[in-house]
Amino acid sequence: NAGVTQTPKFRVLKTGQSMTLLCAQDMNHEYMYWYRQDPGMGLRLIHYSVGEGTTAKGEVPDGYNVSRLKKQNFLLGLESAAPSQTSVYFCAISGNTGELFFGEGSRLTVL
Amino acid sequence: GIQVEQSPPDLILQEGANSTLRCNFSDSVNNLQWFHQNPWGQLINLFYIPSGTKQNGRLSATTVATERYSLLYISSSQTTDSGVYFCAVEQGYAGNMLTFGGGTRLMVKP
Repeated sequence: NAGVTQTPKFRVLKTGQSMTLLCAQDMNHEYMYWYRQDPGMGLRLIHYSVGEGTTAKGEVPDGYNVSRLKKQNFLLGLESAAPSQTSVYFCAISGNTGELFFGEGSRLTVL
Repeated sequence: GIQVEQSPPDLILQEGANSTLRCNFSDSVNNLQWFHQNPWGQLINLFYIPSGTKQNGRLSATTVATERYSLLYISSSQTTDSGVYFCAVEQGYAGNMLTFGGGTRLMVKP
């Protein structure tokens, strides 16, 4: 997972609290993604970005916001956390070849 | 959207055995990748294989794009091969967005 760093690795929130997950890359790739992984559901795309200053919705965007102010960083925000957002969140990056590389994941629990 | 189905969902092997994992997809794709998620949760890219055959050590993969399937072969399995194997595909729209299958959970027993 070298090249993609996620912070924090673990977080426990109460319902209604807000938080931001940070994904940082050092590979200068254009594309960045946020996925969530739930038991029995595989990986589902939340939001993605095709370059600095751009973001787009994925398969399950509701309840999340993102920003890509700098090319190397992609932030995922939860404005008002809900128990349904308890999950493991993965950031991923890809370059022109389309090969996807993941961060180590961030485990979020919403009580 | 495109559907990605993997089989079998679960597989138990004795160390040293060979196995074949299958990925079927419902529409044409221009990108197909295989990933391994180890028991600690790390996702590792195994192959980028939109068509043809590739080999990397004991692992190899074949994609037959015209028939909409891909196969991942694991030979002489080791306990470190345990984990979940995911197939993911992309249809070529902007953003390189991959759609993941549900995975095959592999357990290799010593």
